[in-house]
Amino acid sequence: AQTVTQSQPEMSVQEAETVTLSCTYDTSESDYYLFWYKQPPSRQMILVIRQEAYKQQNATENRFSVNFQKAAKSFSLKISDSQLGDAAMYFCAYRSAILQGAQKLVFGQGTRLTINP
Amino acid sequence: DGGITQSPKYLFRKEGQNVTLSCEQNLNHDAMYWYRQDPGQGLRLIYYSQIVNDFQKGDIAEGYSVSREKKESFPLTVTSAQKNPTAFYLCASSIPPLRELFFGEGSRLTVL
Repeated sequence: AQTVTQSQPEMSVQEAETVTLSCTYDTSESDYYLFWYKQPPSRQMILVIRQEAYKQQNATENRFSVNFQKAAKSFSLKISDSQLGDAAMYFCAYRSAILQGAQKLVFGQGTRLTINP
Repeated sequence: DGGITQSPKYLFRKEGQNVTLSCEQNLNHDAMYWYRQDPGQGLRLIYYSQIVNDFQKGDIAEGYSVSREKKESFPLTVTSAQKNPTAFYLCASSIPPLRELFFGEGSRLTVL
């Protein structure tokens, strides 16, 4: 079974600075999808960014970018120019591309990000 | 606006009682999911359904039951067999193949 590990329970960063959240995963599959979700205090989960494993180029969405290292099974999230609204729990998630396992996400434990003004 | 509606947002239950959490979506999504969230454990999959009248157990299905009689609805029943039901429950939906999960706002269940 696939597992996702986020080794940083909490992180903090000064407003306007850059922070990187770590995520590693364990899988024997070669094709899969990786996600970062944000859960603000309102508790509703929001997709931040998605990466297809077959793509070598790292995904970016405005101030959010990933560093996808397939051989190392690492998928970190970089947030540039941190803003107060970025404060939230961040979850890394994995999805198999194999048909049978394709219809569910496996989540990591989460990292709570605090933004200091 | 399309979305997922979970109700109630807060629910209190006495030990030994069954309780049903509602999840309704108007996104016309085929697949629906229930996740449980506990501090320090992330989200764990309880049940999921890819089509009406069909559903599969997730990683922690014991003590829970679901039904999928309509495409829009996927209620979760927390039975008295669930040993530690106090948690935050999230419902989600997607279009197969899963490229993104859309989540509701969650329901917090507290057992007194």
